[in-house]
Amino acid sequence: KQEVTQIPAALSVPEGENLVLNCSFTDSAIYNLQWFRQDPGKGLTSLLLIQSSQREQTSGRLNASLDKSSGRSTLYIAASQPGDSATYLCAALSGNTPLVFGKGTRLSVIA
Amino acid sequence: DTGVSQNPRHKITKRGQNVTFRCDPISEHNRLYWYRQTLGQGPEFLTYFQNEAQLEKSRLLSDRFSAERPKGSFSTLEIQRTEQGDSAMYLCASSLGSLSRYNEQFFGPGTRLTVL
Repeated sequence: KQEVTQIPAALSVPEGENLVLNCSFTDSAIYNLQWFRQDPGKGLTSLLLIQSSQREQTSGRLNASLDKSSGRSTLYIAASQPGDSATYLCAALSGNTPLVFGKGTRLSVIA
Repeated sequence: DTGVSQNPRHKITKRGQNVTFRCDPISEHNRLYWYRQTLGQGPEFLTYFQNEAQLEKSRLLSDRFSAERPKGSFSTLEIQRTEQGDSAMYLCASSLGSLSRYNEQFFGPGTRLTVL
């Protein structure tokens, strides 16, 4: 059974700092890994999707990497801004099974 | 707007009442998923449809829960005899499924249920 863990649970950084969010998964036979952003009381916004054959994906200031062999993914946020404050969730998809989510990392960027 | 939509956005009900939520997926998506999220947790899978067929149900989906997707378009999730433990955000997502090798899921804004 796939299990996804995100560390740290919460993170507070000053504006402008680069930061890394970590995601680990127990079953390396994943189809893809998806990173989401969730603002308080809102739904999920898809940020990046990495296929199992890919090593990384980039979108603007965001870069996500995937290492299947070690069961790890990271989300790198460059030059953080207060508007980046949100909860970031990673989720693994294995074959036809539904997404399995971590509990998220709550990020606060202080101006 | 061509995203996933959910109604209502908020629902407050008394214990024992029945509630029904609706999800309208992105029009060309043939897969539709329901998830439940409680405070401080990631979303947990409840059930999913490919077109009108319900293909998988989680053990979280007790017999008080039922979901339908008539004609493979919108979906409804009904909870009968609500309990306080049903209070949560109910999220709907859709994807192209087998039509796409990525199977990226897109989420709606959610329906927040509060059972008093």
